[in-house]
Amino acid sequence: QKEVEQNSGPLSVPEGAIASLNCTYSDRGSQSFFWYRQYSGKSPELIMSIYSNGDKEDGRFTAQLNKASQYVSLLIRDSQPSDSATYLCAVRDQGAQKLVFGQGTRLTINP
Amino acid sequence: GAVVSQHPSRVICKSGTSVKIECRSLDFQATTMFWYRQFPKQSLMLMATSNEGSKATYEQGVEKDKFLINHASLTLSTLTVTSAHPEDSSFYICSARHGTGTLYEQYFGPGTRLTVT
Repeated sequence: QKEVEQNSGPLSVPEGAIASLNCTYSDRGSQSFFWYRQYSGKSPELIMSIYSNGDKEDGRFTAQLNKASQYVSLLIRDSQPSDSATYLCAVRDQGAQKLVFGQGTRLTINP
Repeated sequence: GAVVSQHPSRVICKSGTSVKIECRSLDFQATTMFWYRQFPKQSLMLMATSNEGSKATYEQGVEKDKFLINHASLTLSTLTVTSAHPEDSSFYICSARHGTGTLYEQYFGPGTRLTVT
């Protein structure tokens, strides 16, 4: 059973600080990694994709991938109350079409 | 780019009736679309994978005769919930494959909230 693990939280971070979200996956054959943000009552929104080891930055977001440790993380700099949401880590194996999602981490940014 | 729409956004129907939900990729062609269901405070559950021009692949435990999926064009997939019952009430979300090759992304539609009375 392929698994993607996330701490369900809630994770509370003060406004302006860095929020760090972590995800581990079980299948070494995984090739593609994604972070989605889901506000309550809404559908998931893709915020980052990462395919190779290292860091990928996009605005206030940085995704980090370490395939040897089977670990992917998302850093949110200068956290804003509008970042409060559930963050879903998703992984896709090479050759597969479907994503395997983690349970999601609920993030709260406190003003 | 990579916008996916769904229609309707909300629907209320009576038990025993059928409901059709449309999923469209607005600014790209999607050879593959996916249908998910999400109950309150629970994770996304993949129901089926739909490839344009071929039959959908359903996940284990999903009744293919109850949840009819059609992907007749590169921009449209439909999900029909047949003989709906109150336990089918849920948030139905589609997503579409954007990109080719092995490195591609999935973009989600805004979802359809189904209530069966």
